Amino acid sequence: QKEVEQNSGPLSVPEGAIASLNCTYSDRVSQSFFWYRQYSGKSPELIMSIYSNGDKEDGRFTAQLNKASQYVSLLIRDSQPSDSATYLCAVNSGGYQKVTFGTGTKLQVIP
Amino acid sequence: GAGVSQSPSNKVTEKGKDVELRCDPISGHTALYWYRQRLGQGLEFLIYFQGNSAPDKSGLPSDRFSAERTGESVSTLTIQRTQQEDSAVYLCASSFNFQETQYFGPGTRLLVL
Repeated sequence: QKEVEQNSGPLSVPEGAIASLNCTYSDRVSQSFFWYRQYSGKSPELIMSIYSNGDKEDGRFTAQLNKASQYVSLLIRDSQPSDSATYLCAVNSGGYQKVTFGTGTKLQVIP
Repeated sequence: GAGVSQSPSNKVTEKGKDVELRCDPISGHTALYWYRQRLGQGLEFLIYFQGNSAPDKSGLPSDRFSAERTGESVSTLTIQRTQQEDSAVYLCASSFNFQETQYFGPGTRLLVL
């Protein structure tokens, strides 16, 4: 069983729509959750981190965490073609466990 | 301030040769990670350091791969007797500690002919 799971996509949304990216994780004691964006040929860069249940908003991005259901999601409002990238979910279980990345969801925003 | 740097940015080598990849983390970051990313694939964890110790080296694919870190600074990833399947981008990331946000370097693109 994979520790962090994401749908590989591609997820295609029209420009201006809301893109919803989902991630599930297996370790119930996970404490820290991260969303990274990776453009083709580039390194991953952090979009948001979230540590407690609920929503966290930053501009057009909202991260949602539900520890009881063991999922974390990322909403992108007013999607733009420049948002087209692979989005990586990362989870840390605390203690001396490393951060674990999912395989990523490829998002395509169609003009 | 300066971000994570990696060298070389590109490396072409012949099968069977040894290569050494270098990572300079952000100053003050105690945790350092190495990943491999094959073309079109996800991140493959190799090893991470907390300080100069490696609590988790479970991702190293074989005994041809090794890594070391000097204190809380530079790390080197060594691949001995390279094989064509080692061709990939090798990414290094550092974080303030192992639970915090990771900041990635630009990667080293390795091509084994």
